[in-house]
Amino acid sequence: EPEVTQTPSHQVTQMGQEVILRCVPISNHLYFYWYRQILGQKVEFLVSFYNNEISEKSEIFDDQFSVERPDGSNFTLKIRSTKLEDSAMYFCASRIETVGGEKLFFGSGTQLSVL
Amino acid sequence: DQQVKQNSPSLSVQEGRISILNCDYTNSMFDYFLWYKKYPAEGPTFLISISSIKDKNEDGRFTVFLNKSAKHLSLHIVPSQPGDSAVYFCAAWGLKSGAGSYQLTFGKGTKLSVIP
Repeated sequence: EPEVTQTPSHQVTQMGQEVILRCVPISNHLYFYWYRQILGQKVEFLVSFYNNEISEKSEIFDDQFSVERPDGSNFTLKIRSTKLEDSAMYFCASRIETVGGEKLFFGSGTQLSVL
Repeated sequence: DQQVKQNSPSLSVQEGRISILNCDYTNSMFDYFLWYKKYPAEGPTFLISISSIKDKNEDGRFTVFLNKSAKHLSLHIVPSQPGDSAVYFCAAWGLKSGAGSYQLTFGKGTKLSVIP
């Protein structure tokens, strides 16, 4: 069964450093998402991406965050200058556009630890 | 703002018995509901869903019930198995209040423990 893959599974970084989280969505999916879950809290929406542009972003997704689809397969989340409060599990997700497209398929996540 | 609420952070059930996980929502614009299951160190995995035009959807041991008038849905697992032990997230898809766009909104999750 096709799946969303994320790398790395764990990322440790110093506060103020830039990090790039990588995702390979399912190949025939057209909508891409980033969510995050801070330990003990709910899964929160960050951003959605469609047709090579951001379609929606939450208040969490400030100027320190950016997303990119540099080629036909990868979807990346960049945090320009990490803060302690960015420590969380980051999930990439994708979905198809057609009937049944309400179902998001999630990757296994990248655990980001900002020290 | 908690538009999707799972008020029970945890639930323990004996193997073979029924597990009932509850979810309430406040946004009447939600039109599709999903349950996701999450094991530690893994991403959420889709389990079962229901459209707002239905009141029940069944898939094997899993049944989701939707009560639109009460803005309440529940997930029934019967019989419960030890492998069902995980965190279960209720999620709602639709026009999110104040956002002006379609989003998938998650509850905080309920940790189910099935005791052998």
